[in-house]
Amino acid sequence: DVVLTQTPPTLSATIGQSVSISCRSSQSLLHSNGNTYLHWLLQRPGQSPQLLIYLVSRLESGVPNRFSGSGSGTDFTLKISGVEAEDLGVYYCVQGTHAPFTFGSGTKLEIK
Amino acid sequence: QVQLKESGPGLVQPSQTLSLTCTVSGFSLTSYNVHWVRQPPGKGLEWMGRMRYNGDTSYNSALKSRLSISRDTSKNQVFLKMNSLQTDDTGTYYCTRGQVFDYWGQGVMVTVSS
Repeated sequence: DVVLTQTPPTLSATIGQSVSISCRSSQSLLHSNGNTYLHWLLQRPGQSPQLLIYLVSRLESGVPNRFSGSGSGTDFTLKISGVEAEDLGVYYCVQGTHAPFTFGSGTKLEIK
Repeated sequence: QVQLKESGPGLVQPSQTLSLTCTVSGFSLTSYNVHWVRQPPGKGLEWMGRMRYNGDTSYNSALKSRLSISRDTSKNQVFLKMNSLQTDDTGTYYCTRGQVFDYWGQGVMVTVSS
């Protein structure tokens, strides 16, 4: 099974600070169809997860453009350019290239 | 609009079978995959399995021997059945849509306890 290693496990940021979260895969997430099924989710306290970024770098509709994703193969990054108070919660990467699909262990973002 | 809603018992006894239903609206089960994902209290997300749009299924390796996912397209429902439940199966169970996990249900909390 594919293992996704997310770092850091926790992140403390001030409002307006830019932060990055890394997600590294134990094998390439490039699918034979040419897509890379690596996505980023945010789970706010007490809520269901919500999609932020899909297929590495595509911004989900309605998600602020301070969120961006990048990477390829086995190394991926989520960047928040100017953290806002509403961004607190746990961020997960998830891969849908190789079944069984897997989630990263999560990165908890706290606001200072 | 697209919606998914999980339903099922809140309490299950150890060694018993869990049965959950995901009822969807706003899209067709013959066009989109539906996944089951669970989350123990205070812990991360775990992918459990998937019902593909064509009726095929895939399962988490660690749960495969206990888990079954099926569907009724006429009722827009996807079902999860997991047997031999233990206390560490306690958690919130979600269903979510598609290749990119774009819509999620509200989740259903399941407690395994006698």
